[in-house]
Amino acid sequence: GQQVMQIPQYQHVQEGEDFTTYCNSSTTLSNIQWYKQRPGGHPVFLIQLVKSGEVKKQKRLTFQFGEAKKNSSLHITATQTTDVGTYFCADDTGRRALTFGSGTRLQVQP
Amino acid sequence: KAGVTQTPRYLIKTRGQQVTLSCSPISGHRSVSWYQQTPGQGLQFLFEYFSETQRNKGNFPGRFSGRQFSNSRSEMNVSTLELGDSALYLCASSLGLAGGFEQYFGPGTRLTVT
Repeated sequence: GQQVMQIPQYQHVQEGEDFTTYCNSSTTLSNIQWYKQRPGGHPVFLIQLVKSGEVKKQKRLTFQFGEAKKNSSLHITATQTTDVGTYFCADDTGRRALTFGSGTRLQVQP
Repeated sequence: KAGVTQTPRYLIKTRGQQVTLSCSPISGHRSVSWYQQTPGQGLQFLFEYFSETQRNKGNFPGRFSGRQFSNSRSEMNVSTLELGDSALYLCASSLGLAGGFEQYFGPGTRLTVT
């Protein structure tokens, strides 16, 4: 079946540094959703990307969908301790089930 | 409005037993999806129900089953529990089928099989 790979698995940054997580697939992605899961919490929806080359911003977060729709990225500018958590991308595999990436765990040192 | 609720929150069962987990979606949401989350395998899709019908199914053995009631509440059942079934089971509701709509997750049921 389709696999969505996410890198890195883990990243530790100093508060104020930037952070990026990448979501890659060997096949064309349909629509990408991004979620954040705080430690001990449940995933919370952040955004959905639909179009090739799409870029969306939410305050310090920038989401991109690759031109070939085979990758996506989430970039956080000037991280804060509130950004701590695991970030997941998920492909909706043609409006069927969501296939989640393995997630990137972000730790922010104050 | 109230979020997705799941009961029970924690459960300890013995190998060979069966278990039923419950999920109440956000009012007005007709789709309920179930996921298994483990440290090793991440978030894996189990199945999705929409209007009382199973619409999609993940790659899990037949011991995992579910259903949805007319009020959109959903249950999942795991029979003949194995140690590897220990996980956080999350349900998520959405307005439409999972693909294309944001998923609202519940707090999960932590299942431990001994």
